[in-house]
Amino acid sequence: SQTIHQWPATLVQPVGSPLSLECTVEGTSNPNLYWYRQAAGRGLQLLFYSVGIGQISSEVPQNLSASRPQDRQFILSSKKLLLSDSGFYLCAWRAGSSGNTIYFGEGSWLTVV
Amino acid sequence: QKEVEQNSGPLSVPEGAIASLNCTYSDRGSQSFFWYRQYSGKSPELIMFIYSNGDKEDGRFTAQLNKASQYVSLLIRDSQPSDSATYLCAAIPISSGSARQLTFGSGTQLTVLP
Repeated sequence: SQTIHQWPATLVQPVGSPLSLECTVEGTSNPNLYWYRQAAGRGLQLLFYSVGIGQISSEVPQNLSASRPQDRQFILSSKKLLLSDSGFYLCAWRAGSSGNTIYFGEGSWLTVV
Repeated sequence: QKEVEQNSGPLSVPEGAIASLNCTYSDRGSQSFFWYRQYSGKSPELIMFIYSNGDKEDGRFTAQLNKASQYVSLLIRDSQPSDSATYLCAAIPISSGSARQLTFGSGTQLTVLP
């Protein structure tokens, strides 16, 4: 069966510090991968998606970036965090281009102080 | 105009009642629709998806789709306190192409009162 892992689960970072959130998917090949962010009391905002290794599409201009160094690994990064980057970050996957359902990881709570 | 809109609530129903959650979408070409449940502090979990006009039932849950009215709903029968959560409606807009990413509504907070 397929599983998705995301870490760290919680982190508190000072303004201006770097960020790295990692996500891996097991039990599937060539998944579509997604990073969403959910601010407090808000809906899910799509940040990045990837349909293959090295292929990244950005939905929202910001100081975040994403990379996909391996088929089942998706990384969200920032060189300098802003207060507005605080939120709940969710990695998600879909079974390639034919699957319809998106499944979420456990999420990472980021607080920028 | 938001692509997927939901009443934010909160919606309160007594235990055992039917909870009705509604969602509208603006992209007439949207093809697939999803309902996720999100408990406080947790990630969303899929409840149901629906592609075709009409009703789709799964246990206590029924999803309804009306493409002509661009309307999706979720009915929860025999509501339980454990159903208390935020319910997210999502759609795949036709503009998503091969990525088929979901566009989410802001969610409806449901409270089932014992």
